[in-house]
Amino acid sequence: SDKLTQPPSVSVSPGQTARITCSGDALAKQYAYWYQQRPGQAPVLMIYKDSERPSGIPERFSGSSSGTTVTLTISGVQAEDEADYYCQSADSSASYHVVFGGGTKLTVL
Amino acid sequence: EVQLVESGGGLVQPGGSLRLSCAASGFTFNSYSMNWVRQAPGKGLEWVSYISSSRSTIYYADSVKGRFTISRDNAKNSLYLQMNSLRAEDTAAYYCARAYCSGGSCQWYFDLWGRGTLVTVSS
Repeated sequence: SDKLTQPPSVSVSPGQTARITCSGDALAKQYAYWYQQRPGQAPVLMIYKDSERPSGIPERFSGSSSGTTVTLTISGVQAEDEADYYCQSADSSASYHVVFGGGTKLTVL
Repeated sequence: EVQLVESGGGLVQPGGSLRLSCAASGFTFNSYSMNWVRQAPGKGLEWVSYISSSRSTIYYADSVKGRFTISRDNAKNSLYLQMNSLRAEDTAAYYCARAYCSGGSCQWYFDLWGRGTLVTVSS
């Protein structure tokens, strides 16, 4: 299956740890990528190849992978982290090529 | 400044056509594969199309295959999306997105996005 499943919403208080999961068969053999999208803005790459962090992304953002599930972890959540988060995978040999999860709305209480 | 700027969106009737443009600046455009990604109002991201740096490889999502055509002009640092036979379900913000490329090899994720252009298909 080419579907990636994310929880619609996650809520945490400032300073706590947020974990956003993404599940799908494609993740067993392909890397996952994570994007942050604030309201009215374009997506920003936060994690690539499951757990790598692009330059300029705060260290509190991390990624991990286990089987068909990947997790984006945000440690010490800040108010500015409130946004939608999307996982993505790709398989150029598959008919879908690129697939995104449905997105998770992170609310900082 | 490294950036992508989309243009060409607007209101179009069902069955109509529209051509989107994406102007790239601040990087060597002809070294990068490019993509279009769209987002319906209040919905998630949907990949639409891909074109390699040399234009030799092109892919489409099943939802737009046969109706949309991606192209690029490396001399003008520009990416295009010709959209024909538009439907209400094509209503979305359309983003131009650069694939991550290094050492002549490109990956299937996006390290630079434009701010998007809104396409509304309605009578």
